[in-house]
Amino acid sequence: DARVTQTPRHKVTEMGQEVTMRCQPILGHNTVFWYRQTMMQGLELLAYFRNRAPLDDSGMPKDRFSAEMPDATLATLKIQPSEPRDSAVYFCASGQRGGDTEAFFGQGTRLTVV
Amino acid sequence: GIQVEQSPPDLILQEGANSTLRCNFSDSVNNLQWFHQNPWGQLINLFYIPSGTKQNGRLSATTVATERYSLLYISSSQTTDSGVYFCAVSLRDTGNQFYFGTGTSLTVIP
Repeated sequence: DARVTQTPRHKVTEMGQEVTMRCQPILGHNTVFWYRQTMMQGLELLAYFRNRAPLDDSGMPKDRFSAEMPDATLATLKIQPSEPRDSAVYFCASGQRGGDTEAFFGQGTRLTVV
Repeated sequence: GIQVEQSPPDLILQEGANSTLRCNFSDSVNNLQWFHQNPWGQLINLFYIPSGTKQNGRLSATTVATERYSLLYISSSQTTDSGVYFCAVSLRDTGNQFYFGTGTSLTVIP
């Protein structure tokens, strides 16, 4: 059963700490999206990779957020330093050929920064 | 950027009732998906439907791309249908990322 896997599922951290979220896309998918969901803003695109290259990270606060794909089976989203306003659910999704085909979402990482 | 509007924003149904959810978008799209976010927060794929009509059990969807809207039909609703329904669209010209609507929150009461 192919699925997108995100770890950790839940993370509570203190303000100022580094947070790393990981995503394993579905095998064979060459496109990875990172989204953030909050009550106020809904689902916002943070970053978008195709064939491991970043295509769009304009939705991401550059001073504290970074996204990478060290290899085809792993995408990471880091926040350093974390702030309480970063508290949200972070979703990873993968697809073949970007938005031309169906995208599948992981279960999300619920981040709480205190 | 593209505007994706969903209506109604909230919906309360008696179990067994039917409903229609609407998604309007402001530009030509090359992809459209419907998702159900269940009370545990999971985003579940319902339909990949850039155009035409599809059916899956009690759910069906229709996208009329030329008129820039999509409809999701839920028949004989059940309490497990509760949650938020999102449509998401992508534009080839903007790199194919998905833009989400604000969702329709559905509550089905027994």
